[in-house]
Amino acid sequence: DSGVTQTPKHLITATGQRVTLRCSPRSGDLSVYWYQQSLDQGLQFLIQYYNGEERAKGNILERFSAQQFPDLHSELNLSSLELGDSALYFCASSLTGTDTQYFGPGTRLTVL
Amino acid sequence: AQSVAQPEDQVNVAEGNPLTVKCTYSVSGNPYLFWYVQYPNRGLQFLLKYITGDNLVKGSYGFEAEFNKSQTSFHLKKPSALVSDSALYFCAVRDIKGFQKLVFGTGTRLLVSP
Repeated sequence: DSGVTQTPKHLITATGQRVTLRCSPRSGDLSVYWYQQSLDQGLQFLIQYYNGEERAKGNILERFSAQQFPDLHSELNLSSLELGDSALYFCASSLTGTDTQYFGPGTRLTVL
Repeated sequence: AQSVAQPEDQVNVAEGNPLTVKCTYSVSGNPYLFWYVQYPNRGLQFLLKYITGDNLVKGSYGFEAEFNKSQTSFHLKKPSALVSDSALYFCAVRDIKGFQKLVFGTGTRLLVSP
C-alpha cells in the first residue's frame, strides 16, 4: 500500500457526460501528479500540482481539468467524455525535495 | 526531450533463473531513472531509482538495476526469478522541463514459469 488513495475504483459512464476522480496523497506530500494509462497511448503524464498550484502540464485535453485543494487532495474533472477517454487514471504523490513518486491504485474509467 | 525505450514487449524466464528487463534512455544532462512494477488491477509500485552514485542500484523485492552511461542503459535484474514476479515492468525517466514529471517506457511484461 503506497498511502495514496483514489476514488472511485471503477466508473462507468456514457459519452458526453462529466466525471470527477479524487485523489488523496500520502501524508506530508505536497506534490500530486495525474497520469493516464491506455492501451494505445501507454502511460502519459497529464498534470502536476504542488501545494495547490499548477506546476506542469502534459498532454491534457482542454476537456480535462484538475485542482488541488487546501487539504492537498486533488480532483481530476473529465467532461464531454468520449469513448477514447476510457482508461486507467492514476494519481501519484511525492515529498518535496525527493524524486520518487508513489502511485495510487487508479480509477478505471469506462465510457460507453 | 527525455525518453526511455523498452525494446521487449515480453520476457519469459523459468523460476529460479536470473532475469533481465532492458531499458535504454535518451536524456539531456544527468539522467534520473526509475523502475516501477504493475501487478494486475493494481497501481504502479516503486522498485528502485538511479540519481547518482554507484552504478548498481538495489531495490525492493530483490531487484537491482545496472546503470551504464556508455551504453545509455538501465537494465533491471534479479538473480533468481519467482513466479510472483510475473507483472508489467516500466522504466521511467524524470523530465527536466516538466518539474518532476515522469516519462515512461512502453512496459515489458515479465512471465515467470514454474
